[in-house]
Amino acid sequence: EDQVTQSPEALRLQEGESSSLNCSYTVSGLRGLFWYRQDPGKGPEFLFTLYSAGEEKEKERLKATLTKKESFLHITAPKPEDSATYLCAVQPNDYKLSFGAGTTVTVRA
Amino acid sequence: KAGVTQTPRYLIKTRGQQVTLSCSPISGHRSVSWYQQTPGQGLQFLFEYFSETQRNKGNFPGRFSGRQFSNSRSEMNVSTLELGDSALYLCASSPTGGPPYNSPLHFGNGTRLTVT
Repeated sequence: EDQVTQSPEALRLQEGESSSLNCSYTVSGLRGLFWYRQDPGKGPEFLFTLYSAGEEKEKERLKATLTKKESFLHITAPKPEDSATYLCAVQPNDYKLSFGAGTTVTVRA
Repeated sequence: KAGVTQTPRYLIKTRGQQVTLSCSPISGHRSVSWYQQTPGQGLQFLFEYFSETQRNKGNFPGRFSGRQFSNSRSEMNVSTLELGDSALYLCASSPTGGPPYNSPLHFGNGTRLTVT
């Protein structure tokens, strides 16, 4: 069975304090790994897609990387507006997307 | 471009009743997926429709069903509601969904269903 585990569950950061979120997975054939951001009361918002080990994607203060067993979302010099829940999802061979439980990031000014 | 629209935003139902939720995808998107989000289980895949056909299905009981219309709009229905069905139901659209492309999903803001 496909499994996606995100850690930590919650992360409290001071503005400017860089950190990383982890997403480890076991899946029957990885078609793609996705990162989403979800704000309270809203649906997830797409951030990145990663397809193969070694791939990296960047967007503003966020950088996502992928290995054969895990992905990291690095937040560099975060701002309060980066506060959100970050969700990782894997798409296996059967295309049924499996989501992790998410990491809730709080950035204090 | 308008995003994914879900109606209604909030719904309160009683155990045993049935409910229908509606989703309008982004214009031009032909794949619509439905997810259930709860604090305990997170986001769980319900089903996916493409060109009016159910293309993929998650591990939910038959009380959960859906359909897609020719204009790509979709509805999901839950019959004989149980307390455990209380959740945020999210609809997502993508241009093609599954094979052969891994298009990212664009989510609506969900319908919050409360079963009492």
